[in-house]
Amino acid sequence: NAGVTQTPKFQVLKTGQSMTLQCAQDMNHEYMSWYRQDPGMGLRLIHYSVGAGITDQGEVPNGYNVSRSTTEDFPLRLLSAAPSQTSVYFCASSYSWGGSGYEQYFGPGTRLTVT
Amino acid sequence: GQQVMQIPQYQHVQEGEDFTTYCNSSTTLSNIQWYKQRPGGHPVFLIQLVKSGEVKKQKRLTFQFGEAKKNSSLHITATQTTDVGTYFCAGPLDSGYSTLTFGKGTMLLVSP
Repeated sequence: NAGVTQTPKFQVLKTGQSMTLQCAQDMNHEYMSWYRQDPGMGLRLIHYSVGAGITDQGEVPNGYNVSRSTTEDFPLRLLSAAPSQTSVYFCASSYSWGGSGYEQYFGPGTRLTVT
Repeated sequence: GQQVMQIPQYQHVQEGEDFTTYCNSSTTLSNIQWYKQRPGGHPVFLIQLVKSGEVKKQKRLTFQFGEAKKNSSLHITATQTTDVGTYFCAGPLDSGYSTLTFGKGTMLLVSP
């Protein structure tokens, strides 16, 4: 299994440009999430999905869109990039084990710079 | 909103010294998870604690969940340079188990 894959690894955008960060998992996990990581801020949840066709907002959803048409894929779209969106983006997938928790499997991350 | 706070933010130790990071939640947690992120890497799951007062060990790492299920700690005995990284605690968001709220992490630097 490849686990969780993310593309691209690095991206530079100009303010106002749009782009899609790709995320795919081959573990048949039901749950997928997008986080952004900024220095000293930890990981903050952007959007998440509990299954194909179902998405919801996390803590910092503004400026981002998601969709989940298949179990495997969960792309993150930046509508109009802003310098404040410069960050490292992690996609994660998870499954329920024993009904008590959801261990998250993280992808390698996409480092995005908006100039 | 729900918050998970971690202290210290940063710690620098000599190899062989012990290390502890603490995690506190503003609300009672159904479970707490710990992750490690190596420099330049991605977070990797270490462990989950579910029961009040639970203590779990992984070699030199000891994890505790408080009696009130609002705090947790990770203790590393006799640190090694391989322990370098940022340690995060995380608890379920109010919206359900499938989403987590993370502490800001404790960055551990170990000097040989």
